[in-house]
Amino acid sequence: DARVTQTPRHKVTEMGQEVTMRCQPILGHNTVFWYRQTMMQGLELLAYFRNRAPLDDSGMPKDRFSAEMPDATLATLKIQPSEPRDSAVYFCASAIGLAGGTDTQYFGPGTRLTVL
Amino acid sequence: DAKTTQPNSMESNEEEPVHLPCNHSTISGTDYIHWYRQLPSQGPEYVIHGLTSNVNNRMASLAIAEDRKSSTLILHRATLRDAAVYYCILRDGRNSGYALNFGKGTSLLVTP
Repeated sequence: DARVTQTPRHKVTEMGQEVTMRCQPILGHNTVFWYRQTMMQGLELLAYFRNRAPLDDSGMPKDRFSAEMPDATLATLKIQPSEPRDSAVYFCASAIGLAGGTDTQYFGPGTRLTVL
Repeated sequence: DAKTTQPNSMESNEEEPVHLPCNHSTISGTDYIHWYRQLPSQGPEYVIHGLTSNVNNRMASLAIAEDRKSSTLILHRATLRDAAVYYCILRDGRNSGYALNFGKGTSLLVTP
C-alpha cells in the first residue's frame, strides 16, 4: 500500500533554530505539495512542485522558509530561523499530476512542529 | 477556484445514514466536485469526486444537483470511525495538479 511518508513526526525546537522536514512522495507521483495547518488558518498551501520544479511558493514566508526537491523521492521544507508562530502541523501530499480536475492528492501523516 | 459553503458541524447516530451538504452556487462548467476528509490527528484523505452524475464508491456516494449548484456527500451507515472534518472542494478541470483550497469544512460527530 503506497503511502506518503514524512519525518520527523514531531519536532520541538527553540526559537531561532533551523528546522528541516522531509517528505517521501509516492513513487511515480510527479507533483508534491506542502501544506500547513493551524487552528486559526486551517489548511493552507505553502508550496508545490511539478517534476521537481517549483510551480508556486507564494504561500511561504520567503525570508525564512525554503522548499526543495533534491530528487524525485525526497522533498524538503526548511525553516531558518524558526519562530513560535511557525508552530503548526505541516503536511506533504503527492499526486500523479493528471490533466483535468480529477487528480487525487495523497497526504502524509504530517510533522507537528512546536517552536518554543 | 469557486467557493463552497458547508455547515460548520453536524451530528449523526452510529449506523444511520449521514447527508453532508455543500453549496457551490458559482460553480463553472469545468469544475469537478471533490470531497476529502480529515480524521483526528491524521492527514486529509480523498473520499470521492464527480462532475455531473452521481457517483458511488466503497466509502461514500456523491449526489450532485441537476443545476450543479449544490451537492451532498452520503455516508450510508455512519460508524464512529467516520467522525472527521469533511471538506467539499471544487477543482477546475482545465488545470492539473493544482493545490486544494480546503476551507473550514464540516465537523461530523458520530455518537454511539
